[in-house]
Amino acid sequence: QSVLTQPPSVSGAPGQRVTISCTGGSSNIGAGHDVQWYQQLPGTAPKLIIYGNTNRPSGVPDRFTGSKSGTSASLAVTGLEAEDEADYYCQSYDNSLSGGDVVFGGGTKLTVL
Amino acid sequence: EVQLVESGGGLVKPGGSLTLSCAGSGFTFSNAWMSWVRQGPGKGLEYIGQSKTKAGGGTTDTAAPVKGRFIISREDSQSTLYLQMNSLKTEDTAVYYCTTILYDSPSGSYRPYWGQGALVTVSS
Repeated sequence: QSVLTQPPSVSGAPGQRVTISCTGGSSNIGAGHDVQWYQQLPGTAPKLIIYGNTNRPSGVPDRFTGSKSGTSASLAVTGLEAEDEADYYCQSYDNSLSGGDVVFGGGTKLTVL
Repeated sequence: EVQLVESGGGLVKPGGSLTLSCAGSGFTFSNAWMSWVRQGPGKGLEYIGQSKTKAGGGTTDTAAPVKGRFIISREDSQSTLYLQMNSLKTEDTAVYYCTTILYDSPSGSYRPYWGQGALVTVSS
C-alpha cells in the first residue's frame, strides 16, 4: 500500500489533456513537502519531469505541468502525444517515519488511445 | 554535471549477501542526503532508506521491509554510498537506484538526481 494515492490508469486521445492526481496526507504533501513526478518508459529508469511541485528540468516539454494544493498534487499533460504513453509516479517526503523519508505513489499508467 | 553510478549488482542465492556501491560526482557529496530506492519486476518504486549528512546528524535509516537485513553507509572521502544487503530473499529481486536531492538555485527548490540502477537477482 503506497503512502501517496494515484489512479492506476488514465487515458486520452492524441492532442487531448489528461491529469494524474496524487493524494497524500498531513504528514507528507499537506506538511508542505515538495512533490516530484517521474515518467518511466518500459525497461528504463524513471525520468524526472517535475520537481519542487512545478519546476521542469531542462529538456522536458512545457506540455507537462505540475501543481499542488493542500494534501494533493496533480500532473497535467496537454497536447497528448504517443510518446507520452508511460508509467507516471509522484514522490514526496513524509514526517511520520524517521523524518523526511521518501514516499511514492503507486504509479499511473497513461495510455494514449 | 551531477552523476550517480551504481555498481555491484548481480545474481545471489537466497540467504546470501551483496553490497552495492554508488559513486557520486559533480556535487559536494559530504553535503548531500543520499537514499536508496528499488523497483521489483512489474512493481512500483519503493524507498529503502537514507543516509543523512554529518551536519544533519549522520544517521542512517532503513524502511520496514529491509530493516535488520540491509545496512546503508557512506564514505564521504570517496564520495560513495553503500547498501549492504544480508539475508536476501527472492522478493528483494529488483533494480536498486541511488538518489540524492540537491538545492537548485534558479528554482529555489531541491532537485532529485538518480543513478541508472543496478539489478539484483535473488534466485537459487
